[in-house]
Amino acid sequence: DQQVKQNSPSLSVQEGRISILNCDYTNSMFDYFLWYKKYPAEGPTFLISISSIKDKNEDGRFTVFLNKSAKHLSLHIVPSQPGDSAVYFCAASGSGTASKLTFGTGTRLQVTL
Amino acid sequence: GAGVSQSPSNKVTEKGKDVELRCDPISGHTALYWYRQSLGQGLEFLIYFQGNSAPDKSGLPSDRFSAERTGGSVSTLTIQRTQQEDSAVYLCASSLTGSLYGYTFGSGTRLTVV
Repeated sequence: DQQVKQNSPSLSVQEGRISILNCDYTNSMFDYFLWYKKYPAEGPTFLISISSIKDKNEDGRFTVFLNKSAKHLSLHIVPSQPGDSAVYFCAASGSGTASKLTFGTGTRLQVTL
Repeated sequence: GAGVSQSPSNKVTEKGKDVELRCDPISGHTALYWYRQSLGQGLEFLIYFQGNSAPDKSGLPSDRFSAERTGGSVSTLTIQRTQQEDSAVYLCASSLTGSLYGYTFGSGTRLTVV
């Protein structure tokens, strides 16, 4: 039972364009959502988070949008850069904090020149 | 150290042998987590330690898997009688209690059972 789903295993975007990574969840108890970025042979690193009391959180080139009624969140990267090429994981928890996270399967983003 | 340290970084073992994976969390982080990532899969929760509380073992896939955390710091994940389906990257992470900023992950141990 995959409670957090990332239906696109891969995405290719040109440098300078917008990257949109999507994530859906099924558990209505989830109230805190995070995105992690992972390079090969490294552990995932925290990127950005959003609480269910918000519908948008922005940090530089990264913005996360949350649609609670649709149980959907998305990560926008604008403008995309080659260094953004990595695997992106969506994660969720039901505690209002980043504890015992449930992760999606990841989306591999390739930013091309 | 400044980050979460895991050892070994790579481990190849024969089917049926026992293995021990080690995690050294960030000093002062009260929460410690083990996850694993099998080929083509997401990060699968295994076990969660929080301070002196009883660990949440709900993600351990079988009784061949066990973990302990000594003195609230270093943790070892033990897999007994390894099987080929145990092959995965085992990731350890730590965080402060109630953190809003996610976990800090180690680089993982790549376990290959042959």
